[in-house]
Amino acid sequence: EAGVVQSPRYKIIEKKQPVAFWCNPISGHNTLYWYRQNLGQGPELLIRYENEEAVDDSQLPKDRFSAERLKGVDSTLKIQPAELGDSAVYLCASSSHGTGNEKLFFGSGTQLSVL
Amino acid sequence: GESVGLHLPTLSVQEGDNSIINCAYSNSASDYFIWYKQESGKGPQFIIDIRSNMDKRQGQRVTVLLNKTVKHLSLQIAATQPGDSAVYFCAENIGDNAGNMLTFGGGTRLMVKP
Repeated sequence: EAGVVQSPRYKIIEKKQPVAFWCNPISGHNTLYWYRQNLGQGPELLIRYENEEAVDDSQLPKDRFSAERLKGVDSTLKIQPAELGDSAVYLCASSSHGTGNEKLFFGSGTQLSVL
Repeated sequence: GESVGLHLPTLSVQEGDNSIINCAYSNSASDYFIWYKQESGKGPQFIIDIRSNMDKRQGQRVTVLLNKTVKHLSLQIAATQPGDSAVYFCAENIGDNAGNMLTFGGGTRLMVKP
């Protein structure tokens, strides 16, 4: 069974440029998460989707970050414009129901470097 | 604010020895805890979980202990192998009503010496 798939694996851009990350969750998983992981730290939640609905986006910097999951399957996270401080690993995860107390399955992440 | 944290940022052990990685949490409402392993260049990988109605759970070579009295969580790895070298994160979930909102600690790097 395929796991959570993310692309690209690496992205290097100059500040003020736009960037987008793509995620395909595990088949049948209704809940999808985007996390950001700074070097040497644990992942921090950016947004959580239940099917196509964003049910928790309180930690998403909405002035420059946006996300969508139009058909309730794969998802895209966008940053426009990127800033130097956005350099991090962006992780996507999925789980079966999102109703609480269940493990998340993570992709390998996209490592973003903003120069 | 309440958070999940770890006592030791780096732990170095000899191959074959047992490893113990500790985690302190301060949110008394947390009722579900997970340990993840993260190797370089990869996403976190599930190791073992435990619910707050338990104080111990065992897996293959791993054991998680939960002490709710002092809000402490530990991961024990038996007969540590070079492949266990990674960063280990504990994560807590506040509860069902809040949805699946895992909060991660800062991580402990485990280094296994051959």
